Amino acid sequence: SQQGEEDPQALSIQEGENATMNCSYKTSINNLQWYRQNSGRGLVHLILIRSNEREKHSGRLRVTLDTSKKSSSLLITASRAADTASYFCATDLRAGGTSYGKLTFGQGTILTVHP
Amino acid sequence: EAGVTQSPTHLIKTRGQQATLRCSPISGHTSVYWYQQALGLGLQFLLWYDEGEERNRGNFPPRFSGRQFPNYSSELNVNALELEDSALYLCASSPAGWLQPQHFGDGTRLSIL
Repeated sequence: SQQGEEDPQALSIQEGENATMNCSYKTSINNLQWYRQNSGRGLVHLILIRSNEREKHSGRLRVTLDTSKKSSSLLITASRAADTASYFCATDLRAGGTSYGKLTFGQGTILTVHP
Repeated sequence: EAGVTQSPTHLIKTRGQQATLRCSPISGHTSVYWYQQALGLGLQFLLWYDEGEERNRGNFPPRFSGRQFPNYSSELNVNALELEDSALYLCASSPAGWLQPQHFGDGTRLSIL
């Protein structure tokens, strides 16, 4: 099964509103990354948060990480129609003092922002 | 700075044929990763190459193979193609060292007829 589970599966909002997406995972991680994918295209890296960090900001993006609850959230403030895309969380699982290299993705949240 | 580039953009094959997909990482990146995004199955890890060596492999049959060249570019080969191999194949690269973000290309869409 997927390491990451995202919630909600789909989110529809108006321009200017905030969008919040949640991600839960099952095992210890090195870091958690959020990606955006426009229809049929590649993934765009948004933000990486390390396991020892609790919150990170990048422009209109705010990511939180709660390792005790094994969960993360992505907040997009003042959304725009151009934010319409699928959003994925991906975890880099801990393997002793290193990494397996692979990212394990959730199923994603489809965000639609109406102008 | 150029991003990860993949070729071809689209590839159409028939069952039983072989497919070769190519990836050029971001300059300075030494690790290359391959993922499959099939309809209904999500993004699945295929392979990780670093410094020319295969470091990890996902749960895929041996007919999925690849290599990394001295210039860090990579090829993914899929032999004996099956209908369920139809998917978007994404390549990503990252700098050396762990805890680095992976940056993705736009993918190769492989269609099996």
